[in-house]
Amino acid sequence: DAGVIQSPRHEVTEMGQEVTLRCKPISGHNSLFWYRQTMMRGLELLIYFNNNVPIDDSGMPEDRFSAKMPNASFSTLKIQPSEPRDSAVYFCASSLVVTGANVLTFGAGSRLTVL
Amino acid sequence: GESVGLHLPTLSVQEGDNSIINCAYSNSASDYFIWYKQESGKGPQFIIDIRSNMDKRQGQRVTVLLNKTVKHLSLQIAATQPGDSAVYFCAVTGFQKLVFGTGTRLLVSP
Repeated sequence: DAGVIQSPRHEVTEMGQEVTLRCKPISGHNSLFWYRQTMMRGLELLIYFNNNVPIDDSGMPEDRFSAKMPNASFSTLKIQPSEPRDSAVYFCASSLVVTGANVLTFGAGSRLTVL
Repeated sequence: GESVGLHLPTLSVQEGDNSIINCAYSNSASDYFIWYKQESGKGPQFIIDIRSNMDKRQGQRVTVLLNKTVKHLSLQIAATQPGDSAVYFCAVTGFQKLVFGTGTRLLVSP
């Protein structure tokens, strides 16, 4: 298995532009998570899906952020419009949830720089 | 909500020494704990986990200790190697939702 695949690996954009980050989870995993990592705040959970359904989006910073999971093999995280404070590394992770245990496998991340 | 903290932001050790990284958590109902390792430019990678019905679990060169009384978790790395240099995170979960600590950077010098 190729693991969790994220694209793009690096994105530099200007304030106000739309940004779309993509994720392909591990085949057979039933949960998908989007995290954001910054030096100041560490790893923050933005949203997670279970069987393609959003379960908890309380970590999404504001309405500029949206996430979708149209099928079990693809998810997107969109920021529109982007702002400099959105600059961070965004990680997608997937897991096969079993009772009481949830080991996430992370992708390599998408580093976003908003100028 | 859950909060997870680490005692030291950076830990420097000599190659061959044993390393101990500590983590404190706040929710006494937490029942599953994981340690992740993150190397520069990569995503966090699973190291070892432990359930709340255990006090200790061993892997290859790593041991996790759980003290539920004081809500403390530690990761011990035996015979630390240069390849162990990374940021280490503890993560705590009740079900599905993982909360990560702020991380400890382990620096291994030859």
